[in-house]
Amino acid sequence: RKEVEQDPGPFNVPEGATVAFNCTYSNSASQSFFWYRQDCRKEPKLLMSVYSSGNEDGRFTAQLNRASQYISLLIRDSKLSDSATYLCVVNTNAGKSTFGDGTTLTVKP
Amino acid sequence: DTGVSQNPRHKITKRGQNVTFRCDPISEHNRLYWYRQTLGQGPEFLTYFQNEAQLEKSRLLSDRFSAERPKGSFSTLEIQRTEQGDSAMYLCASTLIGVMNTEAFFGQGTRLTVV
Repeated sequence: RKEVEQDPGPFNVPEGATVAFNCTYSNSASQSFFWYRQDCRKEPKLLMSVYSSGNEDGRFTAQLNRASQYISLLIRDSKLSDSATYLCVVNTNAGKSTFGDGTTLTVKP
Repeated sequence: DTGVSQNPRHKITKRGQNVTFRCDPISEHNRLYWYRQTLGQGPEFLTYFQNEAQLEKSRLLSDRFSAERPKGSFSTLEIQRTEQGDSAMYLCASTLIGVMNTEAFFGQGTRLTVV
């Protein structure tokens, strides 16, 4: 079993749709959590950190459930430009980052 | 450009040859990571450094792989006797440890093709 697992995808949604991704992690000592975005053949870039209380950045909302060891990302009012692969990232206290395999989102007109 | 820089961007090599990649992190960052990524997979951890000290190396990494960060600045990743299965994108990332929820910044990667 992988340390970080994500919805397999792909997700194909129309513009304006709301889409949610889930991610589970196995290391209960994990300390910090992130969502990264990766465009085709590009490097990953930080989308948002995930805080215990949940956090929102425009159309994006991230949630953390430490008891169940899962993280979610909600995208509202999807845009064509949201098409990408979304990577869940979990850091241990030592700072080592473990990535999920990503969920691919395609937003269609 | 003050981002993470990787060289070369692309490398094609024959099976059995040795290759070396370089990563220049963001100058004030003390932590440097190497990852490998293949199509359809997320970045797979290879190794990481705190300043010049190599803190961890993936158990999945064969002895043909070695990494250094001699002065705590740039790092090199060497693959000896390359195999076709080594073909992948090799990503370097750096971050500043000591601050909560720190973002890792990635370089654009080195795409290795072993023929």
